[in-house]
Amino acid sequence: KNQVEQSPQSLIILEGKNCTLQCNYTVSPFSNLRWYKQDTGRGPVSLTIMTFSENTKSNGRYTATLDADTKQSSLHITASQLSDSASYICVVTDRGSTLGRLYFGRGTQLTVWP
Amino acid sequence: EADIYQTPRYLVIGTGKKITLECSQTMGHDKMYWYQQDPGMELHLIHYSYGVNSTEKGDLSSESTVSRIRTEHFPLTLESARPSHTSQYLCASSDVRGKQFFGPGTRLTVL
Repeated sequence: KNQVEQSPQSLIILEGKNCTLQCNYTVSPFSNLRWYKQDTGRGPVSLTIMTFSENTKSNGRYTATLDADTKQSSLHITASQLSDSASYICVVTDRGSTLGRLYFGRGTQLTVWP
Repeated sequence: EADIYQTPRYLVIGTGKKITLECSQTMGHDKMYWYQQDPGMELHLIHYSYGVNSTEKGDLSSESTVSRIRTEHFPLTLESARPSHTSQYLCASSDVRGKQFFGPGTRLTVL
């Protein structure tokens, strides 16, 4: 069964600190992995996308890593800001269907305190 | 910023009413999607469309229906709303590389 598991479920950090969110998946065959940021009451917004051959991708203070062998990804946030408070969702696409089916994790709820 | 819009943003309605959630995009994307998301839970695909006059049911069974008469428009309809339909509904479209762009969502409450 294709699954995407994220940890931790929730995380509280102080402003200016770094944090790392984890994503493990069993989706196969693998096409790509995306990290989305979803603010409360809003739709998800794409942060990074990585294909099989990529193991690191940065977008400002966000750095995603991918280990396709162990089927693990992480999202590292540097120098956190209050506006980083959101749910971070890991999404894996399979390439075994015409649709390119997306599998969503439940997200990590990050809260940044001043 | 994605050009995909959903209306209404919030809707509170009584049981048995018919409702239509609107979704439109101005990016010319062929593929569009509807997801249902409960608080703290993952998004579940309920409908998708490859293009005009193409609609398919997603992974999660839903009593809603969709139509795709125009490329830019993908409305979702509930003929008779029930409290179990209370949820957030997210519309998305994807470009040729498969990157999905999400609308802001409609938060539906059925009393």
